[in-house]
Amino acid sequence: GESVGLHLPTLSVQEGDNSIINCAYSNSASDYFIWYKQESGKGPQFIIDIRSNMDKRQGQRVTVLLNKTVKHLSLQIAATQPGDSAVYFCAENWGTGFQKLVFGTGTRLLVSP
Amino acid sequence: DTGVSQNPRHKITKRGQNVTFRCDPISEHNRLYWYRQTLGQVPEFLTYFQNEAQLEKSRLLSDRFSAERPKGSFSTLEIQRTEQGDSAMYLCASSLALGTGGNSPLHFGNGTRLTVT
Repeated sequence: GESVGLHLPTLSVQEGDNSIINCAYSNSASDYFIWYKQESGKGPQFIIDIRSNMDKRQGQRVTVLLNKTVKHLSLQIAATQPGDSAVYFCAENWGTGFQKLVFGTGTRLLVSP
Repeated sequence: DTGVSQNPRHKITKRGQNVTFRCDPISEHNRLYWYRQTLGQVPEFLTYFQNEAQLEKSRLLSDRFSAERPKGSFSTLEIQRTEQGDSAMYLCASSLALGTGGNSPLHFGNGTRLTVT
């Protein structure tokens, strides 16, 4: 994919570990946040979303935490697997009534077997 | 596969030529978006359609760019007189407007990679 930036922060973990990927967002008026996973040669793949009236949301092996006070999002991946290796982006919605997503810089997750 | 489909996957063109990309959204989705992702960067919003109406355009969308969604289903993005700076992955995404005024999550296709030589 296009997310092969040379300066992406990288998180390296062992298979089976839990991973935490962090993201700071900029717009205190954003009411909707999404995490995407992007593998090489592919488009962003939806993982989980959260609205600003919540501070935690859980999916299958993933949890998103939202701290509006410090404008911080995190994605927790439980029992990380080699297939989780990818670049992860958070995105905040700047649109009103539609999704004008502004993406964070991304974190590369490397999972070793 | 019922996801967002984009064609072609790759396009190489010479500077000055026109190119057109196609996007087929998820069938029940009434909102369609175009984003652009240059190498090593994050996706950036270009434009948005609700049904056939183009309701928002980014300043990134110069006069050489035009997007259409004539029947409210598939969309095309045309770039005229391509420049080397147009080289990027062009991503299409779709969502469903919800009755509450919100949206279902944006689902992206795998993009069209444009290389302008």
